[in-house]
Amino acid sequence: QLHLQESGPGLVKPSETLSLTCTVSGGSITNTNYYWGWIRRPPGKGLEWIGTTYKTGESFYNPSLKSRVTVSLDIFNNQFSLKLSSVTAADTAVFYCAREVAAATDQFYGMDVWGPGTTVIVSS
Amino acid sequence: DIQMTQSPSSVSASVGGRVTITCRASQGIGTWLAWYQQRPGEAPKLLIYAASRLQTGVPSRFSGSGSGTYFTLTISSLQPEDFTSYYCQQAHSFPRSFGQGTKVEIK
Repeated sequence: QLHLQESGPGLVKPSETLSLTCTVSGGSITNTNYYWGWIRRPPGKGLEWIGTTYKTGESFYNPSLKSRVTVSLDIFNNQFSLKLSSVTAADTAVFYCAREVAAATDQFYGMDVWGPGTTVIVSS
Repeated sequence: DIQMTQSPSSVSASVGGRVTITCRASQGIGTWLAWYQQRPGEAPKLLIYAASRLQTGVPSRFSGSGSGTYFTLTISSLQPEDFTSYYCQQAHSFPRSFGQGTKVEIK
């Protein structure tokens, strides 16, 4: 059974870079049928998609975050990561990693496996 | 980019009752829509994919319908564990987008 687990610092200072890793166990991140993404939920707000990556190295980003975000794969360690630069208090959130199912080329079923989430607070 | 508009933002119902949540896309997305449930302190859980297909293990009181720009999630015979938050998400194209969320509360 596939399991995802987020890891990284729980506290980041303003203007610094937030770095999180999602470790995938029970399956390979190079599987053709799956994409790998990051989603966050700020306190008191709804879900916000951050970005998604695929085994080819192609990545897609939320336009509102695109200038600050990088999502990438580490195939050797079966992990994928999120880097968000120049953080402010507005980036405080619970961050989730998730697997997205590709039904076919450019057709997707949604995110069927999620990590438990990790809280990141931006504060000095 | 596709915008998702979900309504209502909150709804009250009784145990055993029925609620319907709607989600509108700013442009046609076929049936590439997913619904999620999120309980406090937990990760979101996929309920419905491809607009109307029930994810494995999800109770049959959950149902989805729609295509194009208009979608609904219906929960019939509400159980105590169903009183929580729900989100739609378009899976048609990047960038992905979620609806604003609906909180189902006990009347």
